[in-house]
Amino acid sequence: DARVTQTPRHKVTEMGQEVTMRCQPILGHNTVFWYRQTMMQGLELLAYFRNRAPLDDSGMPKDRFSAEMPDATLATLKIQPSEPRDSAVYFCASGPPAGTGAVYGYTFGSGTRLTVV
Amino acid sequence: AQSVTQLDSQVPVFEEAPVELRCNYSSSVSVYLFWYVQYPNQGLQLLLKYLSGSTLVKGINGFEAEFNKSQTSFHLRKPSVHISDTAEYFCAVSLMEYGNKLVFGAGTILRVKS
Repeated sequence: DARVTQTPRHKVTEMGQEVTMRCQPILGHNTVFWYRQTMMQGLELLAYFRNRAPLDDSGMPKDRFSAEMPDATLATLKIQPSEPRDSAVYFCASGPPAGTGAVYGYTFGSGTRLTVV
Repeated sequence: AQSVTQLDSQVPVFEEAPVELRCNYSSSVSVYLFWYVQYPNQGLQLLLKYLSGSTLVKGINGFEAEFNKSQTSFHLRKPSVHISDTAEYFCAVSLMEYGNKLVFGAGTILRVKS
């Protein structure tokens, strides 16, 4: 069963520290999304990539967040420096090549639960 | 601007009763429509999707949804719910002219009581 793998599952860090979250999309998928989920804001789209290039990162605070795809098997989301308000669950989702992605829907990982103290 | 509105934040229902979770969207471009389910402490799982064709789509776990273009709605229904259906349900639209950007509603918590 193909799945999207996110690491770590849980992360507790102190304010000001750098946090890196990783996502391994399903093999062959070329679209990757990053979402943040909180009680107050629900699911917010932070950024998404196609063929490793960012299509839209307008939902991401640029001063402290960065998202990259160093290669087709790895997407990263970094926060530097982290703040308590960044505490949330961060989800990665991947989908097949453009035009077919919507046919199958996107597959979500289990998320990284980040707590910044 | 594109948006997805889920009209109810919580829906309590007794076991074996029917349920409808409402979703309306606004978009100036063509969309695909989805419902996802999230069980506690888990990721999102695709329930069903509408791409084109028949406006009534069937998904997993006995759920179905009907696309109504004139009312820009995509309501989710199940004729008889189980305790195990207790979860949060998200309606989403994929914006075809924005690289299939996927936008979610705020979610509806379905609480099934015995």
